Amino acid sequence: AQTVTQSQPEMSVQEAETVTLSCTYDTSESDYYLFWYKQPPSRQMILVIRQEAYKQQNATENRFSVNFQKAAKSFSLKISDSQLGDAAMYFCAYRSAAPGNQFYFGTGTSLTVIP
Amino acid sequence: EPEVTQTPSHQVTQMGQEVILRCVPISNHLYFYWYRQILGQKVEFLVSFYNNEISEKSEIFDDQFSVERPDGSNFTLKIRSTKLEDSAMYFCASNDGVSNQPQHFGDGTRLSIL
Repeated sequence: AQTVTQSQPEMSVQEAETVTLSCTYDTSESDYYLFWYKQPPSRQMILVIRQEAYKQQNATENRFSVNFQKAAKSFSLKISDSQLGDAAMYFCAYRSAAPGNQFYFGTGTSLTVIP
Repeated sequence: EPEVTQTPSHQVTQMGQEVILRCVPISNHLYFYWYRQILGQKVEFLVSFYNNEISEKSEIFDDQFSVERPDGSNFTLKIRSTKLEDSAMYFCASNDGVSNQPQHFGDGTRLSIL
């Protein structure tokens, strides 16, 4: 089975600064998708950003961007201009390319934003 | 934007009782999932459902659990003889079957076993 590792249980960032959350994964597949989900205290799961493994270009969504290193099996999330509302648990997730496959989640990184 | 809806938001049940968690996936979606998140832990896959049958299940999804799509809209998770360790947040998700699309998650049902 695929594994997803988030080695930073907790991170903090000053408001308006930039923070990078790490994620590595292990797979023997060549085609797959990677996602970052945000889980605020309300415990909803909110999609932040996704990356197709066949795309070399890193995905970007407003203040959120990823650094996808396929050979290194690394998928980090960069949050620029951090806002108080960014404070949440962030989960990295992997899914193989076949439709309908399950997600494999990392253990999460709790992000605190300091005013 | 269409949403996955889950009811109830919080369920309190006595140990040993049966509980049914309900989900209404997004209407044109084809794949349905249940995940579990024990407090402070990661989200874990339980089961996926496609074409009116289970397509994949994890080792967590033993005989205590069952899923059903009783009509064209609802997708339920039944837990029989609940145990204290079943206390968790249960998320339903759905996907339209297009491979690069994310799963859409409901807001979860917090299950508390007393």
